[in-house]
Amino acid sequence: AQKITQTQPGMFVQEKEAVTLDCTYDTSDQSYGLFWYKQPSSGEMIFLIYQGSYDEQNATEGRYSLNFQKARKSANLVISASQLGDSAMYFCAMRESYNTDKLIFGTGTRLQVFP
Amino acid sequence: DVKVTQSSRYLVKRTGEKVFLECVQDMDHENMFWYRQDPGLGLRLIYFSYDVKMKEKGDIPEGYSVSREKKERFSLILESASTNQTSMYLCASSPRDPSLDQPQHFGDGTRLSIL
Repeated sequence: AQKITQTQPGMFVQEKEAVTLDCTYDTSDQSYGLFWYKQPSSGEMIFLIYQGSYDEQNATEGRYSLNFQKARKSANLVISASQLGDSAMYFCAMRESYNTDKLIFGTGTRLQVFP
Repeated sequence: DVKVTQSSRYLVKRTGEKVFLECVQDMDHENMFWYRQDPGLGLRLIYFSYDVKMKEKGDIPEGYSVSREKKERFSLILESASTNQTSMYLCASSPRDPSLDQPQHFGDGTRLSIL
């Protein structure tokens, strides 16, 4: 069965520094996709970035990028030039299987950015 | 932009009451989801609907039911609320996605307290 593991319950980073949030996954599917979401304290889940298993390049969206290492089954989120507004919970997710639209989520990492 | 609207941000109910949480999406998505979020546990799927009147149990359906009479609306029902159902509830929608790359879009969440 698919599984997502986020081993960092909390992370601290200074403003303007880069930070990496870890995500490892387990799947027997050849084709799969990984999603990252941000959840500020207000509660809404905001989609950040997607990486497909067959994508040759690491995904990038503005200050967000994925360090995708397929052999290691890891899809770490890198946030460059952290801002105070980046303080939030971050969740990694993937499809439960290739033939369903259901996602499974990790337990999340709480990122705090300090001045 | 996709808009998923949950009827209440905060809700306080009493033990034994029948509670309705409503969710509406405006993007004609086939899929709708109800999640429960608790600290340290991430998001857990309660129910999933892939079409009008079609539903599928998620990981934690006990004590809950759902209704999808119209494509845009997905309701979560707590048949007889109990204190252990105090939680954050998140609704999401997504298109049917053979390409595996479509994210789920979330509402702002409902913080439900059962007294």
